[in-house]
Amino acid sequence: DIQMTQSPSTLSASVGDRVTITCRASQSISSWLAWYQQKPGKAPKLLIYKASSLESGVPSRFSGSGSGTEFTLTISSLQPDDFATYYCQQYNSYPLTFGPGTKVDIK
Amino acid sequence: EVQLVESGGGLVQPGGSLRLSCAASGFTFSSYWMSWVRQAPGKGLEWVANIKQDGSEKYYVDSVKGRFTISRDNAKNSLYLQMNSLRAEDTAVYYCARDREQQLHYWGQGTLVTVSS
Repeated sequence: DIQMTQSPSTLSASVGDRVTITCRASQSISSWLAWYQQKPGKAPKLLIYKASSLESGVPSRFSGSGSGTEFTLTISSLQPDDFATYYCQQYNSYPLTFGPGTKVDIK
Repeated sequence: EVQLVESGGGLVQPGGSLRLSCAASGFTFSSYWMSWVRQAPGKGLEWVANIKQDGSEKYYVDSVKGRFTISRDNAKNSLYLQMNSLRAEDTAVYYCARDREQQLHYWGQGTLVTVSS
């Protein structure tokens, strides 16, 4: 199974900050990586697919990059609505696996 | 509008069984792979299983193989998860999700399964 790790596990930031979250895979997954946002008590929402493709309707302040084993999710200017937990997910092979999540909270 | 509505969760004793359902609307259900994903209280996301459009292919995470069965009824626009031999560690919110090339594109609101005596 492909193991996914994320860093940091928690990130404290202010509105307007540039935020970067890193996701690493235990083996190469090419660009088969997605990012999700989840707010408390809600279902996750797909933000980015194929490592860097922005899902329709997602604000352009979100961007993704990387390939192989190392990936990043960047929020260019953090907005109040962005305080949430973010998960990466590989879909290179079964079982599909998620990272443990990065919680972005208010500094 | 895509809608996925899960039902069937509840409290069950260890070793018991439960069948979850997911009613889909707003899209051509028979055209999409579908998945179940779970989230234990206060924990991260775990993909459980998915099923091909016609039901001919199914994949499972190792921890549920032999205990859980995913199925679908395209005539009823419904996805199911039969869960047998339930364990305390199966306690979670279970989400159904529409796959798009194994990205989880749309999600339901989830149904809580609690395994406890």
